[in-house]
Amino acid sequence: GEQVEQRPPHLSVREGDSAVITCTYTDPNSYYFFWYKQEPGASLQLLMKVFSSTEINEGQGFTVLLNKKDKRLSLNLTAAHPGDSAAYFCAVSVNSNNRIFFGDGTQLVVKP
Amino acid sequence: AQTIHQWPVAEIKAVGSPLSLGCTIKGKSSPNLYWYWQATGGTLQQLFYSITVGQVESVVQLNLSASRPKDDQFILSTEKLLLSHSGFYLCAWSGHLNQDTQYFGPGTRLLVL
Repeated sequence: GEQVEQRPPHLSVREGDSAVITCTYTDPNSYYFFWYKQEPGASLQLLMKVFSSTEINEGQGFTVLLNKKDKRLSLNLTAAHPGDSAAYFCAVSVNSNNRIFFGDGTQLVVKP
Repeated sequence: AQTIHQWPVAEIKAVGSPLSLGCTIKGKSSPNLYWYWQATGGTLQQLFYSITVGQVESVVQLNLSASRPKDDQFILSTEKLLLSHSGFYLCAWSGHLNQDTQYFGPGTRLLVL
């Protein structure tokens, strides 16, 4: 079945720096991709959903890149600020929303 | 707009005691519903999903069971808690289409002593 590997598990950056989190997946039939943000003590909040047809996806303060050839999904937070400090999870769906496969998460700390 | 509510917010329970966690969705007819468990340290594990009333599929059981007694309700339970059941339990919903996103509830924090 699908396997999703997320790196790094922990990431610390200074305010204003960029932060990059990457996930690799194994199933070439993966079709939908998600990034979720989890603030301390809170639930998961959807940041972005990405379709396999779109390689570059712009959000507010971040960019999601999808490289289907390398089976890699990345979240790039540009000019991170302390409010971005949270756990981030990627998730991959293999053409069925009943099972989505999560990465193990990245704990991001943005220091002022 | 859809809202998802979980109860209780938090529980402290003794090993061997029973447990029942609830999840209710409002504003969405016939949703797909899901239970996840998040261990301390953060990894997420999908436990169950349900696409219709009375029908529940197990992904990983962890000595837990789930039921869907109503269209808008999903229950997670066990007769005997283990220490390993401690963690954060998240309910999620989605539509039925393959591309539909899963949206998460606020979660229930469980500590088993």
